[in-house]
Amino acid sequence: QKEVEQDPGPLSVPEGAIVSLNCTYSNSAFQYFMWYRQYSRKGPELLMYTYSSGNKEDGRFTAQVDKSSKYISLFIRDSQPSDSATYLCAMSPGAGYALNFGKGTSLLVTP
Amino acid sequence: DTAVSQTPKYLVTQMGNDKSIKCEQNLGHDTMYWYKQDSKKFLKIMFSYNNKELIINETVPNRFSPKSPDKAHLNLHINSLELGDSAVYFCASSQGNPWGFAEAFFGQGTRLTVV
Repeated sequence: QKEVEQDPGPLSVPEGAIVSLNCTYSNSAFQYFMWYRQYSRKGPELLMYTYSSGNKEDGRFTAQVDKSSKYISLFIRDSQPSDSATYLCAMSPGAGYALNFGKGTSLLVTP
Repeated sequence: DTAVSQTPKYLVTQMGNDKSIKCEQNLGHDTMYWYKQDSKKFLKIMFSYNNKELIINETVPNRFSPKSPDKAHLNLHINSLELGDSAVYFCASSQGNPWGFAEAFFGQGTRLTVV
């Protein structure tokens, strides 16, 4: 079993839909939880990060962490075609540790 | 200005050859990484260096040898290339922060194809 599990999709939604992306993990030492966005043929870029459990909102994006269930989510409101990309969840036990990535979920937002 | 730059962007080579990928970051970070992304998009850590010292060395064949001449550079040399080495290799950097989160910045990747 991999430490971080993520459904690879693909996920296709119409423009304006609410998108829900999820990851589960097995390592209870993880404290930092991140979402990266990766466009085709580009490197991953950080979207949001959360420390420990809780919610964090940034514009149309909301990240949720439930450490008791070892489950994290990213919600995208009012999705746009420009949101079409692969979304990777990543986790680490602390600063300076390498990131443990999920496999990424491919999202397509159609006009 | 590119924060983390890798060269080359594309590399096609024959089995058995030796090749190198170079990475440079101009962010002043003290930690650099090599990640491998396979055909299924799974990103996996290979190596991590902090101030030129190796701190993470995952289960990677010893045909892969990282070298950090200074803290702004981390190169990856691969000997005796095999078909299974075909992947996208990403360099990344971050600034160590013992009190909290440190964002990792990724390069654009080097797409290695072994034929």
